[in-house]
Amino acid sequence: GAVVSQHPSRVICKSGTSVKIECRSLDFQATTMFWYRQFPKQSLMLMATSNEGSKATYEQGVEKDKFLINHASLTLSTLTVTSAHPEDSSFYICSARDFGTVQETQYFGPGTRLLVL
Amino acid sequence: AQKVTQAQTEISVVEKEDVTLDCVYETRDTTYYLFWYKQPPSGELVFLIRRNSFDEQNEISGRYSWNFQKSTSSFNFTITASQVVDSAVYFCALSEAAGTASKLTFGTGTRLQVTL
Repeated sequence: GAVVSQHPSRVICKSGTSVKIECRSLDFQATTMFWYRQFPKQSLMLMATSNEGSKATYEQGVEKDKFLINHASLTLSTLTVTSAHPEDSSFYICSARDFGTVQETQYFGPGTRLLVL
Repeated sequence: AQKVTQAQTEISVVEKEDVTLDCVYETRDTTYYLFWYKQPPSGELVFLIRRNSFDEQNEISGRYSWNFQKSTSSFNFTITASQVVDSAVYFCALSEAAGTASKLTFGTGTRLQVTL
């Protein structure tokens, strides 16, 4: 099956710093990637849809200036949490949709645990 | 608006028991896709199955089976002869018809605990 990687898997940072998370599709091209946020024991909440070569589409209530998304190639999307605060601590997980098929399946990365002190 | 309901928050079974995880969905689309994902304690989401709205055939994959009932808007998942390794949170999800922005709507998940 399709493989999606995320880096880093875990990050601890000080309040006020910015953190970049990378999401890569390893064996397929992904014109569309999705970024989710998951709080402990809760479901996944879609934050934004990342389209290669264009601006990301953010869900209602998600600050686009706070969560910067760049989808520079067909295999890489990045999420930057700017000026992180403790309330941004969460599990961030990306997914990628395989461009090469008509299958409507999103394959997920392993996630990134962010802890802001 | 789309909605996915997983009424069972937590289920605990003893190994080798069969267990069914319920999923009920709501959508106005005539073409849609249903999914099940497994999230083990490590956190990653593992894709289990995708079913489109025109394919109501039930599917079996090893110990896993899925029952898609369009008449009741349900897509239930059964694990036969459960094992400890099946312990995880299972999410049912729904996406609208094909497109470049096929968003997934997730249910709240069912935490399955399989004990010896």
